Amino acid sequence: EAQVTQNPRYLITVTGKKLTVTCSQNMNHEYMSWYRQDPGLGLRQIYYSMNVEVTDKGDVPEGYKVSRKEKRNFPLILESPSPNQTSLYFCASSSVDRAYYYEQYFGPGTRLTVT
Amino acid sequence: SQELEQSPQSLIVQEGKNLTINCTSSKTLYGLYWYKQKYGEGLIFLMMLQKGGEEKSHEKITAKLDEKKQQSSLHITASQPSHAGIYLCGADTRYSTLTFGKGTMLLVSP
Repeated sequence: EAQVTQNPRYLITVTGKKLTVTCSQNMNHEYMSWYRQDPGLGLRQIYYSMNVEVTDKGDVPEGYKVSRKEKRNFPLILESPSPNQTSLYFCASSSVDRAYYYEQYFGPGTRLTVT
Repeated sequence: SQELEQSPQSLIVQEGKNLTINCTSSKTLYGLYWYKQKYGEGLIFLMMLQKGGEEKSHEKITAKLDEKKQQSSLHITASQPSHAGIYLCGADTRYSTLTFGKGTMLLVSP
């Protein structure tokens, strides 16, 4: 089954304790992306990756890091989480072709609470 | 940067009634995507529109792209409780990057 998986689904942590949210897709997609969703602000892009070893900032990258060492994985790293990073996080992936647009497949979400 | 404004922000309809959700862009629309989200869950792809005037349907949901108005509309016919959720429109702002509207929350009352 084609899918994007995220782990963990729920996480409560304390300020300053480094954490990683994993994202994996089994569709051989080149493009992967991280979003956060907050009430009243909607979905905002954090980072994206066009392919292995190619990453770029989205609209709200501060406080986050990513890496793309393998095509299927795109982990999101919070080196020193703060309460304003409490949010619902989504990973997404899609194919890439300059001539066409492709739907993005979304993971189930990770609800992060930083106290 | 491109902004997408959705209207209405929320909507309560009686089961069986029709409804329309609009998505208006501040810039020219190229790829326009509609997603549905159950509260707190992942986004489910509904349909994608690429060309002005294009119209697509999936079951009782129809979406249309008006390129001149920089607007897309999502129409649900004979709404059912299963249609309840948050509907989000997204548009390509740069290569493979989506900007989303803030969503329209739909409740369907029996």
